[in-house]
Amino acid sequence: EVQLLESGGDLIQPGGSLRLSCAASGFTFSSYAMSWVRQAPGKGLEWVSIISDSGGRTYYADSVKGRFTISRDNSKNTLYLQMNSLRADDTAVYYCAKYPSLVGAFFDYWGQGTLVTVSS
Amino acid sequence: QSVLTQPPSVSAAPGQKVTISCSGSSSNIGNNYVSWYQQLPGTAPKLFIYDSNKRPSGIPDRFSGSKSGTSATLGITGLQTGDEADYYCGTWDSSLSSVVFGGGTKLTVL
Repeated sequence: EVQLLESGGDLIQPGGSLRLSCAASGFTFSSYAMSWVRQAPGKGLEWVSIISDSGGRTYYADSVKGRFTISRDNSKNTLYLQMNSLRADDTAVYYCAKYPSLVGAFFDYWGQGTLVTVSS
Repeated sequence: QSVLTQPPSVSAAPGQKVTISCSGSSSNIGNNYVSWYQQLPGTAPKLFIYDSNKRPSGIPDRFSGSKSGTSATLGITGLQTGDEADYYCGTWDSSLSSVVFGGGTKLTVL
């Protein structure tokens, strides 16, 4: 059974930094691209970033480019999102999602999410 | 403002059929596959349709997807109260080099 377990969400002040983690199990982690998708309170889904299976290719939404960094440790089956220069509009539930096909552009498994609140 | 346009809400009676539209452009839906997600209140999204018209294992055949030109449609037949949820469409946008989502549609089963 595929499982994705996010952690690291917290209340953080504007301008601060936070690192999210996503522990994966139930599939060959190193064979699949992974992604972060966020959802602000009461709002829709917003794609954040994708990393290829090897970690050699990364993509970012314009809203986070230059501030967020996606990475992975295939030896630990873990995905990360380093978030710097956080702003109030980064407040959201952050979901880790498995991205099985760079062609198909879909997310077949999602974690339960971790809440990031940016506020003073 | 979302790149893909969905109606904010749709409703129908139990047992009836409903469709949810998703409108885009040639840089996204027109040249890429579409996926659909169901999000029940307080839970994570769940994949219901991928590659525009394929259902993952375990998704009932009451759910179907189609695509024509720059628009896609999610169809649900035999509506059940358990289908009440938010539904999102998504695809790749080649101009933005980004995954894009619709704003979501709230389905109410009256």
